[in-house]
Amino acid sequence: KAGVTQTPRYLIKTRGQQVTLSCSPISGHRSVSWYQQTPGQGLQFLFEYFSETQRNKGNFPGRFSGRQFSNSRSEMNVSTLELGDSALYLCASSLLATSDTGELFFGEGSRLTVL
Amino acid sequence: AQSVSQHNHHVILSEAASLELGCNYSYGGTVNLFWYVQYPGQHLQLLLKYFSGDPLVKGIKGFEAEFIKSKFSFNLRKPSVQWSDTAEYFCAVSHSSYKLIFGSGTRLLVRP
Repeated sequence: KAGVTQTPRYLIKTRGQQVTLSCSPISGHRSVSWYQQTPGQGLQFLFEYFSETQRNKGNFPGRFSGRQFSNSRSEMNVSTLELGDSALYLCASSLLATSDTGELFFGEGSRLTVL
Repeated sequence: AQSVSQHNHHVILSEAASLELGCNYSYGGTVNLFWYVQYPGQHLQLLLKYFSGDPLVKGIKGFEAEFIKSKFSFNLRKPSVQWSDTAEYFCAVSHSSYKLIFGSGTRLLVRP
């Protein structure tokens, strides 16, 4: 069974640009969550999608957005990039909504560097 | 707001030493508790979880954790660590209709 796939794995952007990250969940999983991981802050919750609906959202500015498609694949977008957005962005999927099981399967992440 | 605290940010042990990593959470209702591990160069994976029942739960690779409701704690333990346990460990909490919140992580280095 294929795991969670995130693309691209690495990317470099400059301030002011925008970026789109993609996540393909494990087949059959309907929930996709996104986290930002930085050395000092650990994992910060961005948002969770379940059956194309955003169920939860973390405390991030409106520059961070996401969506989920009918095949459960998800994308997140960050507009007007800032230096502080440099981080590892993790996608995680679960069979049911996170709040029901809490068991997440993580991808390897997309490492974003903003110059 | 719900929060998770991991007080030990860095832990260094010698092989065969015992391990205990602290985790405290702030939510007062019914919670689900988890420990995730991230080995060097690998993705996060579930180590163990507690939903209900016996407060002492056993996970993979000899790890266990004890849920103490009165202390809002879910500490991770292992009687004898190995070099291969070197990793970053994250405690996480969720409750009904809420997202999974992670602690800031504890980096464990086991010296051979």
